[in-house]
Amino acid sequence: AQKITQTQPGMFVQEKEAVTLDCTYDTSDQSYGLFWYKQPSSGEMIFLIYQGSYDEQNATEGRYSLNFQKARKSANLVISASQLGDSAMYFCAMRDYYGNNRLAFGKGNQVVVIP
Amino acid sequence: DGGITQSPKYLFRKEGQNVTLSCEQNLNHDAMYWYRQDPGQGLRLIYYSQIVNDFQKGDIAEGYSVSREKKESFPLTVTSAQKNPTAFYLCASSSGGSYNEQFFGPGTRLTVL
Repeated sequence: AQKITQTQPGMFVQEKEAVTLDCTYDTSDQSYGLFWYKQPSSGEMIFLIYQGSYDEQNATEGRYSLNFQKARKSANLVISASQLGDSAMYFCAMRDYYGNNRLAFGKGNQVVVIP
Repeated sequence: DGGITQSPKYLFRKEGQNVTLSCEQNLNHDAMYWYRQDPGQGLRLIYYSQIVNDFQKGDIAEGYSVSREKKESFPLTVTSAQKNPTAFYLCASSSGGSYNEQFFGPGTRLTVL
């Protein structure tokens, strides 16, 4: 069974600073994908970034980058130059390629950006 | 605009009543999913459907039912057998594209009184 762990308490981040959100995962599969989603207070889930288990380079999407350490089974999200609109819950999720695109989600990290 | 719609955004029901949550997508996606989210928790998979007229149970299917008669629609019924139905329900779809990421609707917050 897959498991995603996000254990950081809520975080306050100064505007324009970078923040790193931790995510560790547990799987016995060799082929899998890792996702990060953002959930603002309105509730919708917004896809941010994806990392495949065979990707050699860390994924980047604008201000978002993923620090992927396969041997440690870690997929941390880095948000650079935080903005007030980044205040939200952030969820790490994993999909295995044999599981009908099912996603397993962590419990999330709360981020509050302060001016 | 292409996207996923869920209605209504807020729903109140009396205990013991069945209630159906709507999910419609115009993204031409084959796969659709229903998740439940409780306060301070991640999402848990209720049911999913890879193609029309086919669906599978997720991790917490007890007390729920679904149908997939059309590609665009995947309604979820919360039955009276669901012991604790008050939660936030999210519908998602995916196309099998490069990342095969799931796109989510705005969610329905169900409160059972």
